[in-house]
Amino acid sequence: GAVVSQHPSRVICKSGTSVKIECRSLDFQATTMFWYRQFPKKSLMLMATSNEGSKATYEQGVEKDKFLINHASLTLSTLTVTSAHPEDSSFYICSAILAVGTGELFFGEGSRLTVL
Amino acid sequence: AQSVSQHNHHVILSEAASLELGCNYSYGGTVNLFWYVQYPGQHLQLLLKYFSGDPLVKGIKGFEAEFIKSKFSFNLRKPSVQWSDTAEYFCAVTPRGYGQNFVFGPGTRLSVLP
Repeated sequence: GAVVSQHPSRVICKSGTSVKIECRSLDFQATTMFWYRQFPKKSLMLMATSNEGSKATYEQGVEKDKFLINHASLTLSTLTVTSAHPEDSSFYICSAILAVGTGELFFGEGSRLTVL
Repeated sequence: AQSVSQHNHHVILSEAASLELGCNYSYGGTVNLFWYVQYPGQHLQLLLKYFSGDPLVKGIKGFEAEFIKSKFSFNLRKPSVQWSDTAEYFCAVTPRGYGQNFVFGPGTRLSVLP
C-alpha cells in the first residue's frame, strides 16, 4: 500500500523559534496532501489542504502566517510552525490521497511538537 | 456542514467480548464511509471502507461495519476482541464525488483487558 512518512517524529523547541515538519509520499505521487492537528482525547482537525505547485487552502481559524505549508514536489509537503508558542504544542499528522486509487487517506506517523 | 459523532469516548472490554462502536453522520447526500484505527504509538491506518454495494463490509483483523442509510449510521463490530485490538478508532465520512473532504469523528478509545 501507499506509504506516507513524516519527519521528525518528535521535536522540542523553545518559544519563538520555527519548526519544520516534512511529509513525504514514499511510493506514490501525491498531488494533494492534508495536514491535521490532533489534540489530546480529541479528533483530527484538518488544518489545511496542500496542493502541489500552488498555495495551500487553509481551514477557517487556522493562521496561514503561523502554519506555513509548502508543497514543492509531488512527494513532499512541509509544514513550518513559525514563532512557535506553547499553545502550538500538539500532534501534527499529514496524509495523502492517491490521485487515482481507492479514495482512502494514507497517514504519516505524526509529529509530536513540544514548545517550551 | 457535515459532522460525525461516535457514541462512546472510551470502551473497556475483556478479551473475547463482542464489540460494537457506534458512528453516526450528518450529511444529506451520498457518502463514502471509513473506519480508521490508531494503535498506541502508530499512525492511523484504514480498517475498512464503504463506497457502495453490500452495506455490510468486512475489513482487516476480523472487523466489519454495517452501513444503515436510513439511520445515517456506520457501526463497527467485531465478534471477539483481543488485547491487541486496544487502540483509538475513528469513523470518517467524505461526500461522494468530493473525495478529499474527510470529516472525522472524535474517536473512541478501546481498551481490551487480558
